[in-house]
Amino acid sequence: GAVVSQHPSRVICKSGTSVKIECRSLDFQATTMFWYRQFPKQSLMLMATSNEGSKATYEQGVEKDKFLINHASLTLSTLTVTSAHPEDSSFYICSARVPTGYNNEQFFGPGTRLTVL
Amino acid sequence: AQKVTQAQTEISVVEKEDVTLDCVYETRDTTYYLFWYKQPPSGELVFLIRRNSFDEQNEISGRYSWNFQKSTSSFNFTITASQVVDSAVYFCALTENNNDMRFGAGTRLTVKP
Repeated sequence: GAVVSQHPSRVICKSGTSVKIECRSLDFQATTMFWYRQFPKQSLMLMATSNEGSKATYEQGVEKDKFLINHASLTLSTLTVTSAHPEDSSFYICSARVPTGYNNEQFFGPGTRLTVL
Repeated sequence: AQKVTQAQTEISVVEKEDVTLDCVYETRDTTYYLFWYKQPPSGELVFLIRRNSFDEQNEISGRYSWNFQKSTSSFNFTITASQVVDSAVYFCALTENNNDMRFGAGTRLTVKP
Protein backbone atom coordinates (compact mmCIF):
# COMPACT_ATOMS: atom_id res chain seq x y z
CA GLY A 1 0.00 0.00 0.00
CA ALA A 2 0.89 3.65 -0.29
CA VAL A 3 3.06 5.10 2.47
CA VAL A 4 2.98 8.61 3.84
CA SER A 5 5.60 9.88 6.25
CA GLN A 6 5.66 12.89 8.51
CA HIS A 7 8.58 14.63 10.09
CA PRO A 8 9.10 15.33 12.88
CA SER A 9 6.96 12.93 14.86
CA ARG A 10 7.16 15.09 17.94
CA VAL A 11 8.27 18.66 18.53
CA ILE A 12 8.42 20.89 21.56
CA CYS A 13 9.03 24.56 21.04
CA LYS A 14 8.87 27.86 22.83
CA SER A 15 6.02 30.26 22.33
CA GLY A 16 6.65 32.62 19.44
CA THR A 17 8.77 30.30 17.35
CA SER A 18 7.81 28.80 14.02
CA VAL A 19 7.60 25.09 13.40
CA LYS A 20 7.67 23.30 10.05
CA ILE A 21 6.08 19.89 9.58
CA GLU A 22 6.80 17.83 6.47
CA CYS A 23 4.46 15.36 4.83
CA ARG A 24 5.85 13.06 2.16
CA SER A 25 4.28 10.44 -0.05
CA LEU A 26 7.01 7.84 -0.32
CA ASP A 27 5.93 5.60 -3.17
CA PHE A 28 3.36 7.56 -5.10
CA GLN A 29 2.71 11.03 -6.41
CA ALA A 30 0.03 13.00 -4.64
CA THR A 31 -1.49 15.97 -6.37
CA THR A 32 -3.66 16.57 -3.32
CA MET A 33 -2.68 16.43 0.32
CA PHE A 34 -4.75 17.30 3.36
CA TRP A 35 -3.82 18.67 6.76
CA TYR A 36 -5.83 17.80 9.85
CA ARG A 37 -5.60 18.90 13.45
CA GLN A 38 -6.70 16.83 16.40
CA PHE A 39 -7.00 18.23 19.91
CA PRO A 40 -6.95 15.79 22.83
CA LYS A 41 -10.00 13.54 22.94
CA GLN A 42 -11.47 15.17 19.87
CA SER A 43 -11.92 14.20 16.28
CA LEU A 44 -9.76 15.07 13.32
CA MET A 45 -10.67 18.43 11.87
CA LEU A 46 -9.68 19.35 8.36
CA MET A 47 -7.53 22.46 8.28
CA ALA A 48 -6.70 22.80 4.63
CA THR A 49 -6.45 21.10 1.28
CA SER A 50 -3.10 21.37 -0.42
CA ASN A 51 -2.82 21.07 -4.19
CA GLU A 52 0.53 20.75 -5.89
CA GLY A 53 1.59 23.95 -7.59
CA SER A 54 -1.27 26.07 -6.31
CA LYS A 55 -2.42 27.82 -3.18
CA ALA A 56 -3.95 25.78 -0.41
CA THR A 57 -7.64 25.97 0.36
CA TYR A 58 -8.29 26.64 4.02
CA GLU A 59 -11.32 25.64 6.05
CA GLN A 60 -13.39 28.30 7.68
CA GLY A 61 -11.80 29.54 10.87
CA VAL A 62 -8.27 28.44 9.99
CA GLU A 63 -5.86 31.37 9.69
CA LYS A 64 -3.93 31.01 6.47
CA ASP A 65 -1.26 33.46 7.62
CA LYS A 66 -0.63 31.42 10.72
CA PHE A 67 -0.67 27.98 9.12
CA LEU A 68 1.40 28.27 5.96
CA ILE A 69 1.10 25.38 3.56
CA ASN A 70 3.45 24.74 0.67
CA HIS A 71 2.93 21.89 -1.77
CA ALA A 72 5.95 22.42 -3.98
CA SER A 73 6.26 18.93 -5.40
CA LEU A 74 4.10 15.88 -6.02
CA THR A 75 5.59 14.13 -3.01
CA LEU A 76 5.98 16.86 -0.42
CA SER A 77 3.70 19.22 1.41
CA THR A 78 4.79 21.32 4.37
CA LEU A 79 2.82 22.97 7.13
CA THR A 80 4.48 25.82 8.98
CA VAL A 81 2.94 26.99 12.22
CA THR A 82 4.15 30.56 12.50
CA SER A 83 4.61 32.26 15.85
CA ALA A 84 3.26 29.23 17.66
CA HIS A 85 1.41 29.66 20.93
CA PRO A 86 0.31 27.13 23.55
CA GLU A 87 -3.17 26.95 22.04
CA ASP A 88 -1.59 25.61 18.85
CA SER A 89 -0.44 22.53 20.74
CA SER A 90 -2.13 19.65 19.00
CA PHE A 91 -1.67 16.50 16.95
CA TYR A 92 -1.25 17.37 13.28
CA ILE A 93 -1.93 14.67 10.70
CA CYS A 94 -1.47 14.86 6.97
CA SER A 95 -2.93 12.63 4.30
CA ALA A 96 -2.29 12.17 0.62
CA ARG A 97 -4.87 11.16 -1.90
CA VAL A 98 -3.95 8.70 -4.58
CA PRO A 99 -5.09 10.13 -7.90
CA THR A 100 -6.53 7.00 -9.45
CA GLY A 101 -7.24 3.37 -8.86
CA TYR A 102 -7.79 3.47 -5.11
CA ASN A 103 -11.43 4.54 -4.97
CA ASN A 104 -10.66 7.95 -3.59
CA GLU A 105 -8.70 6.61 -0.65
CA GLN A 106 -6.47 8.81 1.40
CA PHE A 107 -3.35 7.54 3.08
CA PHE A 108 -2.49 9.09 6.40
CA GLY A 109 0.83 9.99 7.88
CA PRO A 110 1.68 8.93 11.43
CA GLY A 111 1.09 12.42 12.80
CA THR A 112 3.17 15.10 14.49
CA ARG A 113 2.59 16.00 18.08
CA LEU A 114 3.30 19.68 18.67
CA THR A 115 3.74 21.06 22.15
CA VAL A 116 4.20 24.80 22.54
CA LEU A 117 5.52 25.89 25.92
CA ALA B 1 -21.93 19.19 2.97
CA GLN B 2 -21.37 15.72 4.28
CA LYS B 3 -21.75 14.85 7.92
CA VAL B 4 -20.90 11.83 10.04
CA THR B 5 -22.45 11.09 13.41
CA GLN B 6 -21.06 8.67 15.94
CA ALA B 7 -23.47 8.95 18.81
CA GLN B 8 -21.55 6.66 21.14
CA THR B 9 -18.81 8.67 22.79
CA GLU B 10 -17.44 5.86 24.93
CA ILE B 11 -18.14 2.16 25.19
CA SER B 12 -16.76 -0.22 27.77
CA VAL B 13 -17.04 -3.97 27.46
CA VAL B 14 -15.51 -7.01 29.02
CA GLU B 15 -13.22 -9.17 26.95
CA LYS B 16 -14.99 -11.68 24.68
CA GLU B 17 -18.13 -9.59 24.47
CA ASP B 18 -19.37 -8.49 21.06
CA VAL B 19 -19.63 -4.75 20.49
CA THR B 20 -21.18 -2.65 17.75
CA LEU B 21 -20.06 0.87 16.94
CA ASP B 22 -22.66 2.98 15.22
CA CYS B 23 -22.13 5.39 12.35
CA VAL B 24 -24.79 7.46 10.63
CA TYR B 25 -23.97 9.71 7.72
CA GLU B 26 -25.53 12.45 5.66
CA THR B 27 -24.71 13.27 2.08
CA ARG B 28 -26.43 14.68 -0.98
CA ASP B 29 -24.19 12.85 -3.40
CA THR B 30 -25.02 9.50 -4.94
CA THR B 31 -21.33 8.66 -5.14
CA TYR B 32 -19.51 8.60 -1.85
CA TYR B 33 -17.11 6.51 0.19
CA LEU B 34 -17.31 5.39 3.78
CA PHE B 35 -14.37 4.45 5.98
CA TRP B 36 -13.54 3.13 9.41
CA TYR B 37 -10.25 3.88 11.12
CA LYS B 38 -8.76 2.74 14.40
CA GLN B 39 -6.63 5.15 16.40
CA PRO B 40 -4.61 3.50 19.18
CA PRO B 41 -2.94 5.58 21.88
CA SER B 42 0.08 6.14 19.62
CA GLY B 43 -2.13 8.36 17.48
CA GLU B 44 -1.47 6.81 14.11
CA LEU B 45 -4.63 6.07 12.16
CA VAL B 46 -5.06 2.47 11.14
CA PHE B 47 -7.22 1.92 8.07
CA LEU B 48 -9.86 -0.77 8.57
CA ILE B 49 -12.26 -0.63 5.66
CA ARG B 50 -13.49 1.40 2.70
CA ARG B 51 -16.90 1.10 1.09
CA ASN B 52 -18.27 2.91 -1.92
CA SER B 53 -21.91 3.89 -2.14
CA PHE B 54 -22.67 1.34 -4.82
CA ASP B 55 -21.52 -1.62 -2.80
CA GLU B 56 -23.96 -2.47 -0.04
CA GLN B 57 -22.54 -5.89 0.63
CA ASN B 58 -21.69 -6.50 4.22
CA GLU B 59 -18.14 -7.50 4.91
CA ILE B 60 -16.45 -9.74 7.41
CA SER B 61 -12.76 -9.74 8.16
CA GLY B 62 -11.82 -12.01 11.00
CA ARG B 63 -13.50 -10.69 14.13
CA TYR B 64 -14.56 -7.49 12.37
CA SER B 65 -17.72 -7.05 10.37
CA TRP B 66 -19.44 -4.10 8.79
CA ASN B 67 -23.12 -3.51 8.03
CA PHE B 68 -23.79 -0.91 5.35
CA GLN B 69 -27.43 0.10 4.96
CA LYS B 70 -28.22 2.94 2.58
CA SER B 71 -31.87 2.90 3.61
CA THR B 72 -30.92 4.11 7.08
CA SER B 73 -27.67 5.88 6.05
CA SER B 74 -25.72 3.75 8.46
CA PHE B 75 -22.39 1.97 8.35
CA ASN B 76 -22.04 0.09 11.61
CA PHE B 77 -18.98 -1.79 12.76
CA THR B 78 -19.09 -4.91 14.93
CA ILE B 79 -16.22 -6.51 16.78
CA THR B 80 -16.92 -10.09 17.76
CA ALA B 81 -15.28 -11.62 20.82
CA SER B 82 -13.53 -8.37 21.71
CA GLN B 83 -9.98 -8.38 23.01
CA VAL B 84 -8.01 -5.93 25.13
CA VAL B 85 -5.97 -4.98 22.06
CA ASP B 86 -9.13 -3.67 20.45
CA SER B 87 -9.13 -0.79 22.92
CA ALA B 88 -8.78 2.39 20.87
CA VAL B 89 -10.73 5.25 19.41
CA TYR B 90 -12.62 4.31 16.28
CA PHE B 91 -13.55 6.85 13.64
CA CYS B 92 -16.09 6.60 10.89
CA ALA B 93 -15.44 8.90 7.92
CA LEU B 94 -17.03 9.94 4.66
CA THR B 95 -15.82 11.43 1.42
CA GLU B 96 -18.07 12.65 -1.32
CA ASN B 97 -16.82 12.24 -4.86
CA ASN B 98 -13.25 13.52 -4.98
CA ASN B 99 -13.68 15.75 -1.96
CA ASP B 100 -12.04 15.87 1.42
CA MET B 101 -12.71 13.39 4.21
CA ARG B 102 -14.98 14.25 7.11
CA PHE B 103 -14.71 12.35 10.34
CA GLY B 104 -17.23 11.50 12.99
CA ALA B 105 -16.51 12.44 16.58
CA GLY B 106 -15.11 9.02 17.29
CA THR B 107 -16.04 6.27 19.74
CA ARG B 108 -13.60 5.36 22.50
CA LEU B 109 -13.74 1.63 23.07
CA THR B 110 -12.33 0.13 26.23
CA VAL B 111 -12.11 -3.62 26.48
CA LYS B 112 -11.47 -4.81 30.01
CA PRO B 113 -9.82 -8.13 30.77
